[in-house]
Amino acid sequence: GAVVSQHPSWVICKSGTSVKIECRSLDFQATTMFWYRQFPKQSLMLMATSNEGSKATYEQGVEKDKFLINHASLTLSTLTVTSAHPEDSSFYICSAYVAGVPGELFFGEGSRLTVL
Amino acid sequence: QKEVEQDPGPLSVPEGAIVSLNCTYSNSAFQYFMWYRQYSRKGPELLMYTYSSGNKEDGRFTAQVDKSSKYISLFIRDSQPSDSATYLCAMRGLASGGSYIPTFGRGTSLIVHP
Repeated sequence: GAVVSQHPSWVICKSGTSVKIECRSLDFQATTMFWYRQFPKQSLMLMATSNEGSKATYEQGVEKDKFLINHASLTLSTLTVTSAHPEDSSFYICSAYVAGVPGELFFGEGSRLTVL
Repeated sequence: QKEVEQDPGPLSVPEGAIVSLNCTYSNSAFQYFMWYRQYSRKGPELLMYTYSSGNKEDGRFTAQVDKSSKYISLFIRDSQPSDSATYLCAMRGLASGGSYIPTFGRGTSLIVHP
């Protein structure tokens, strides 16, 4: 299957700082990437859909100014958590959608964010 | 009612048991069904996918879809401790209709003890 690399896997930051998470498709081009947030023992919560070269589409209730998503190339999408607060602590996962490929949705390893 | 319902468990079974994991859904537009396995603090990993009703087998795993009942299952034969993980079902409508964004179940936590 297609490989999606997510970095960093774990980050600790101070309240008020910004954190950037990168999601790369290693052996394919992904025109569409999804960003999810997952709380312990909960399912994946879709935050936004990111299409290369255009603005991300955010789900209802997700603050676009707080969670900045950039999809500048076909192999890289980034999520920046701005002015992070402890309530932003969570597990963030990206996935790449590849139409026509069996399975079609490939996930990164996830990034655990802890805001102190 | 959520679009996709999945019992969170945990489901605890002895090694070697046959495991049955299930999801029900309410949206008849769902046509593409997937099962993911997620180990603790890792991203989900695709296990199986299918378009049609019926069974699809891959090694120890069998995915079953019953569209008339809006019910999907994942069976694991000869379960191993390494199968201990959370299993998420996911489904979506036809991509051509723009509904390629999948809807996920909550995930079922499976524990296989030696």
